Amino acid sequence: GQQVMQIPQYQHVQEGEDFTTYCNSSTTLSNIQWYKQRPGGHPVFLIQLVKSGEVKKQKRLTFQFGEAKKNSSLHITATQTTDVGTYFCAGPLRGSYIPTFGRGTSLIVHP
Amino acid sequence: DGGITQSPKYLFRKEGQNVTLSCEQNLNHDAMYWYRQDPGQGLRLIYYSQIVNDFQKGDIAEGYSVSREKKESFPLTVTSAQKNPTAFYLCASSPSGSGISSYNEQFFGPGTRLTVL
Repeated sequence: GQQVMQIPQYQHVQEGEDFTTYCNSSTTLSNIQWYKQRPGGHPVFLIQLVKSGEVKKQKRLTFQFGEAKKNSSLHITATQTTDVGTYFCAGPLRGSYIPTFGRGTSLIVHP
Repeated sequence: DGGITQSPKYLFRKEGQNVTLSCEQNLNHDAMYWYRQDPGQGLRLIYYSQIVNDFQKGDIAEGYSVSREKKESFPLTVTSAQKNPTAFYLCASSPSGSGISSYNEQFFGPGTRLTVL
């Protein structure tokens, strides 16, 4: 069936190292969203990408939408302990607006 | 103070009992959603509602029921037919109820952690 796949499932880094999570869809997406969930918390919206090849930055976070609109990535430069959490991508697969979430990448930052 | 509230935060239930989880939003959003989160599984959609008095099954609706009698409220009932109900349940809302290109950022409530004893 249609899926949104996300890798890796877990990533351990030393504070100051970079981090990247990748999201791949089985179908072309009209948009892709990224969310962050802190341990014990709920997902919080980070950003939405709509255009093919789009790149957006939020401070140390860089989000990219692939040219074919089937993949996306989130890159964090120089991680900090405040970056700890699970990062989810989500994109509409049902031919409508409802996003299907990937399984998430859990980032663990070691001080 | 706008947002989504879910109650209770923790809920314990005996096997065979139905239980209803509350979700209220004062954001004036049209669409509301229920997700189930299990470790390593991400968020799986249970039910969603685009407008009042209408709702649709998501990917894992079996053993669950919902109602949408008011725009602000979207309660979820976990019935005894749900075989593995222990999970973290998240309610969300978004401004738009339709449209492929609509800006449909989802706002999540704090969640209810249900444990079946």
